[in-house]
Amino acid sequence: RKEVEQDPGPFNVPEGATVAFNCTYSNSASQSFFWYRQDCRKEPKLLMSVYSSGNEDGRFTAQLNRASQYISLLIRDSKLSDSATYLCVVNQNNAGNMLTFGGGTRLMVKP
Amino acid sequence: DAGVTQSPTHLIKTRGQQVTLRCSPKSGHDTVSWYQQALGQGPQFIFQYYEEEERQRGNFPDRFSGHQFPNYSSELNVNALLLGDSALYLCASSRQGWNEQFFGPGTRLTVL
Repeated sequence: RKEVEQDPGPFNVPEGATVAFNCTYSNSASQSFFWYRQDCRKEPKLLMSVYSSGNEDGRFTAQLNRASQYISLLIRDSKLSDSATYLCVVNQNNAGNMLTFGGGTRLMVKP
Repeated sequence: DAGVTQSPTHLIKTRGQQVTLRCSPKSGHDTVSWYQQALGQGPQFIFQYYEEEERQRGNFPDRFSGHQFPNYSSELNVNALLLGDSALYLCASSRQGWNEQFFGPGTRLTVL
């Protein structure tokens, strides 16, 4: 079983749609959680951290369920520019700061 | 404020050769991590350097080695290259004790 699992997609959605991505992680001792965005042939860029209380940044909402070891990302009012691969990332050891990435979920937003 | 920089951008090598990749961290950052990203996959952690020492290592063979300099910049060395080493090599910098890492643009290595 992979340490961080994501549906690879692709998710094809029209502009303005709401889309949700899910991610599960295997290590219950994981300390911190992130969503990164990666455009084609570019480096990953931090989209948002994920907190137990849930957090929102504009059109993006992230949720963490520690009991189920599950992380989600909700994108509202999708834009063409949201087309990218979204990487679920877990830091299993705060002190060591070693990030474990899921395989990514590809999103294609169409006009 | 310069972000994380990496050199070279692209590199082509043949099997058995050795390669050195370079990374300069974001200003104010003291920790450098290296990741390998094969096509269609998420990045995989290679190792992390802090205070010029390797602090953590992922599941990579000894052919992969590194170094950190007093100015916090870092090198990744790969010996005896294999075809399977072809990938995007990403450097990420952070401050020790902080969770967030910032990635450089990567070096795309092709092994023929």
